[in-house]
Order: sequence, then structure tokens, then C-alpha cells
Amino acid sequence: RKEVEQDPGPFNVPEGATVAFNCTYSNSASQSFFWYRQDCRKEPKLLMSVYSSGNEDGRFTAQLNRASQYISLLIRDSKLSDSATYLCVVKLQGANNLFFGTGTRLTVIP
Amino acid sequence: NAGVTQTPKFQVLKTGQSMTLQCAQDMNHNSMYWYRQDPGMGLRLIYYSASEGTTDKGEVPNGYNVSRLNKREFSLRLESAAPSQTSVYFCASRVLYNEQFFGPGTRLTVL
Repeated sequence: RKEVEQDPGPFNVPEGATVAFNCTYSNSASQSFFWYRQDCRKEPKLLMSVYSSGNEDGRFTAQLNRASQYISLLIRDSKLSDSATYLCVVKLQGANNLFFGTGTRLTVIP
Repeated sequence: NAGVTQTPKFQVLKTGQSMTLQCAQDMNHNSMYWYRQDPGMGLRLIYYSASEGTTDKGEVPNGYNVSRLNKREFSLRLESAAPSQTSVYFCASRVLYNEQFFGPGTRLTVL
């Protein structure tokens, strides 16, 4: 079983729409959670960390549900520049490495 | 700061050839990583180095070797390339508990 599972999409949404991605993780010892963004043919870059109480960065909101072992990312007022693949990332307690989901592809349409 | 740099950006090999992918970081990070990314598979860890002088296997280490040359540099070697190693290879570095920074990637094709 994969450590991190994501719906691969693609999600095609109009500009201005609100879109949400979910991600589930299998190991209850998971300690840290992140969303990374990857543009086509580019390297992944950190979008935001996910904190237990939930956190917001502008139009982006991340939520963590430890009981159900899932993480979500909400994007409000989608922009064309939000088109990318969003990677859910988990770090296990005591581990040095990160586990990446396969990514959810978002295309924002004019 | 250049961050994480990788060379080469593109490479085409024939089956059985060998090559070394180079990675360097100028952020004074202790940990460095090599991943491969394939369609539908996501990023998979090949090897990592928690600190200078140490290396550990990741999820998919077979067919690869690594060298942590010093704190800045972490190389990945394919001794006898196979078509199954056609992929995009990313190097990354990280300070404990902080974000992981990636290099721009190497696109490798093995014919």
C-alpha cells in the first residue's frame, strides 16, 4: 500500500472557481505534512506546510485530519497561473526522508 | 545562491553504458536525496545521505550507486544503464524539519 494516495485528476476548472484536493496517508506515525507544486517539466517547490489547526496562505487553505488520516488543499478564486500538479507530501516521525503522492493535475481554463 | 544544481540537464545512453549524475548545493544542508520521477508513479527515493559520510537506500536503489563527496556534492551513478532507468532524476537537499529544495532535474533516456 502506498504511503500517500492522491486523486490524479485532471481537474479542469474555470478561472475564479474554488477547487479542493484531498490526499490520504497510510501511516499513523506520519508527523509532518506539506503541499508541493510542480509546473510542467520543472522541479517540485514547496507551496505550504500543513499544520494541525489548519492554515491559510492567501487563496490557499490547507487542512489536516489526523483521525481520518487525510490532508486537503483548497484553492479559492483560481488563476490561470495556478495550473500545475499539486503533490501531497508526508514525513514519518523519526524518518529523514519524505513520501510523495503521485500528484493531482489542475488546469485553470480562461 | 544557486540553490541545488544538477548536471547534465539531458542525457541519452545506450543500454549497458555508464554515467554519473552530478548534484551540488550551496545552502549548507546536511541531507541530500536522489529521486526518480516516472508518469503515474510519482517521486520515488533512490538513495539519500543524512549527513556527510553516510548514505542509505531508498525505495528503488537497485541499479544505482551514490557518493557523498563532501557536504555540498552528492552524485548518482548508473553502472550499466537499462531502458527501465529512463526517467527524470531530481536531486534535493534539506535542513532537518525544513522544506526540501529540488534541483532542476536530469532527463535521461536509455535506448
